[in-house]
Amino acid sequence: KAGVTQTPRYLIKTRGQQVTLSCSPISGHRSVSWYQQTPGQGLQFLFEYFSETQRNKGNFPGRFSGRQFSNSRSEMNVSTLELGDSALYLCASSLLGWSGLGSYEQYFGPGTRLTVT
Amino acid sequence: TQLLEQSPQFLSIQEGENLTVYCNSSSVFSSLQWYRQEPGEGPVLLVTVVTGGEVKKLKRLTFQFGDARKDSSLHITAAQPGDTGLYLCAGGLNYGGSQGNLIFGKGTKLSVKP
Repeated sequence: KAGVTQTPRYLIKTRGQQVTLSCSPISGHRSVSWYQQTPGQGLQFLFEYFSETQRNKGNFPGRFSGRQFSNSRSEMNVSTLELGDSALYLCASSLLGWSGLGSYEQYFGPGTRLTVT
Repeated sequence: TQLLEQSPQFLSIQEGENLTVYCNSSSVFSSLQWYRQEPGEGPVLLVTVVTGGEVKKLKRLTFQFGDARKDSSLHITAAQPGDTGLYLCAGGLNYGGSQGNLIFGKGTKLSVKP
C-alpha cells in the first residue's frame, strides 16, 4: 500500500510570495493533518481536515490555509511568505482521525522543505 | 497549553551501549506514540501504547507507558548505528483543539557511533 506522498519535496521562495503544498494520503484514509517542523519549535500543528472539512486549527496566522478535496488529497497554502516560514512542512494521514477510543495513529509523508529567502 | 518534555535532548553513544529516552508530562494521555525521524524525512511511527503500565517490545526497542498515562520511556538495547535519528514521542488527546489530536515532544537526537 502506498504511503503518504507530498509534493514538491523542496521549494525555494522569496519573501512576499505565496506557496501551495500538496499531500496525498494513504488510500482509504480520510483525515489529513499538517505540521510545521523547525529546529527550535519542533512539530507544531497547523490544521486537520476530515471529509473536506477543517476540524481543528492550530495557532498560526491566517496566512496559513488549507483545503481537502473529495478524494482526501489536501493542499496547504501560505501567502505573503516570511523568512520565519522556512521549515519542513509535514502532512500526516489517518484512517478516521481522532475517534476518542484510546488509540490514534497517523502516518507521515516525507515532507516539503520550504526555504524563504 | 499541554506539553510533553523529552530528555535528554541529545545523546551520543558507542555501538553496543544501552540507552533510555524519557517523555514526561503533567497531562494524562489516551495513548502515547513513538516515532523515529531521519534527516530530510517524515517521522515513522514505531509503536502506540494505550494502557497504563503497558510494555511493548520491538526487537531491541522496549517502550513503556507510565501507570498514570502521563509519561513514557523508550529503551534501546545494544544500540547500532542504524538506530541513529530523532526520536519523537507524541501524546494523544481526548479531544481536538488548537494543538491537534497529538502533542509532540521536541525529540531526542540520538547518534550511535560505530
